[in-house]
Amino acid sequence: EVQLVESGGGLVKPGRSLRLSCTASGFTFGDYAMSWFRQAPGKGLEWVGFIRSKAYGGTTEYAASVKGRFTISRDDSKSIAYLQMNSLKTEDTAVYYCTTGSGYSTPHWGQGTLVTVSS
Amino acid sequence: DIQMTQSPSSLSASVGDRVTITCRASQGISNYLAWYQQKPGKVPKLLIYAASTLQSGVPSRFSGSGSGTDFTLTISSLQPEDVATYYCQKPPKTFGQGTKVEIK
Repeated sequence: EVQLVESGGGLVKPGRSLRLSCTASGFTFGDYAMSWFRQAPGKGLEWVGFIRSKAYGGTTEYAASVKGRFTISRDDSKSIAYLQMNSLKTEDTAVYYCTTGSGYSTPHWGQGTLVTVSS
Repeated sequence: DIQMTQSPSSLSASVGDRVTITCRASQGISNYLAWYQQKPGKVPKLLIYAASTLQSGVPSRFSGSGSGTDFTLTISSLQPEDVATYYCQKPPKTFGQGTKVEIK
C-alpha cells in the first residue's frame, strides 16, 4: 500500500524559511515523480511543483507563485521528498500535500501538513 | 500554461437526482483529465482518470466523458454521501476551481 507522510509544518513568521518532508513507502520511490500541492483555508487545490525521477533527469518545475522561493529535492536512498520554502509570505499559508502518480492522475496523497505564515 | 475552468461553482440537488459538472481546458488535452472528490477536512480522492476510466472502488454512479477541451463528470443518482467539492485536473498539475455539491 502506498503511504505518503508529510512532516515539518508549523507556524513561521513572514520572510522566514521552513522545510517540509514527505516520507514514502509501499512503492519504488526512485521510479516516480513526486509533486507538492497546497490548499489555502477554504480555497481550492493549487499545484506547487514537482520533481521528476532520476530516469527523467530529476528535474523540477514550479508554479509561478513560488518559483525562486521554493525548492523541491529528493533523497531516493531514504524515500523522502523535500519542499524547501524560503521568503515565506502570509499567502503561503495552506495545507501542503505530498503526492505521486502519473501523467493520467494523482491517486496517492499524504494527509497534509499545515503551514501558517503569520507575525 | 493550461487553465481548467469548472462550472457551476456550486449546485444543490435532491437525493436521486442526476448531477452534471463540466470542466473546460484552455487548450486541447486529449483525454488527460482526472476528477477528484474532496470531503470537508479530508484528502482529495481520485474518482476518474483518462477522462472516463473509473478508479477502482469508486461507485458506478460516477462517470466521466469528454475529450479535447470539454469534459463532464456525472453522478447518475446523487446520494447523501456525495456531498463534497469536486475538482477536475489536467495531470500532473492544474486543477479547476472546484464545484461544491450540496443536498437540497
